[in-house]
Amino acid sequence: AQKVTQAQTEISVVEKEDVTLDCVYETRDTTYYLFWYKQPPSGELVFLIRRNSFDEQNEISGRYSWNFQKSTSSFNFTITASQVVDSAVYFCALSPSYTGGFKTIFGAGTRLFVKA
Amino acid sequence: GAVVSQHPSRVICKSGTSVKIECRSLDFQATTMFWYRQFPKQSLMLMATSNEGSKATYEQGVEKDKFLINHASLTLSTLTVTSAHPEDSSFYICSARSGNEQFFGPGTRLTVL
Repeated sequence: AQKVTQAQTEISVVEKEDVTLDCVYETRDTTYYLFWYKQPPSGELVFLIRRNSFDEQNEISGRYSWNFQKSTSSFNFTITASQVVDSAVYFCALSPSYTGGFKTIFGAGTRLFVKA
Repeated sequence: GAVVSQHPSRVICKSGTSVKIECRSLDFQATTMFWYRQFPKQSLMLMATSNEGSKATYEQGVEKDKFLINHASLTLSTLTVTSAHPEDSSFYICSARSGNEQFFGPGTRLTVL
């Protein structure tokens, strides 16, 4: 089965706090892609990162960092020194490359509130 | 990066009418496009996979006669919601595949009165 679990429904932090959004996935494919998207109130999905299943290197982009661990099937996302503009819904997604035909499966999303 | 557009961005219609939503890949050709639906405060759920020149593949529980998908060219897929009802009110998002990448449109918010 292909599945993405984001156990945190909502998270509320105060500005400048660090926050980690959890993502656990299931797939039988050996080749797959993992994504994080941001969805602000406008609704448009904003692409944040794509990670190939063969690349377990962690990545940092400004205040954003991602921790990919195949051993635990997790792809967690950390925002350092959060800002009010980070308030949005964040989706983790899985795209199995073979059996899934590149369809993207989304987690339920985590709604992040950053208070000033 | 590759751009996918959707038209209209917002539509309000009366119950019983049909609504067509267009999804275009602006600077690349997409052999495969996907249609998603997102209800308020919920995740995106895949409705169907649209392949150019062939019939769409619908996910379980999605009525193919209600949600007509046409992928007439490598840059255009359309979703027609036939005989729309208030429960069809949702945010519809398309995506277009280019190689191993997928690019999402900005979405269409449908409100059925």
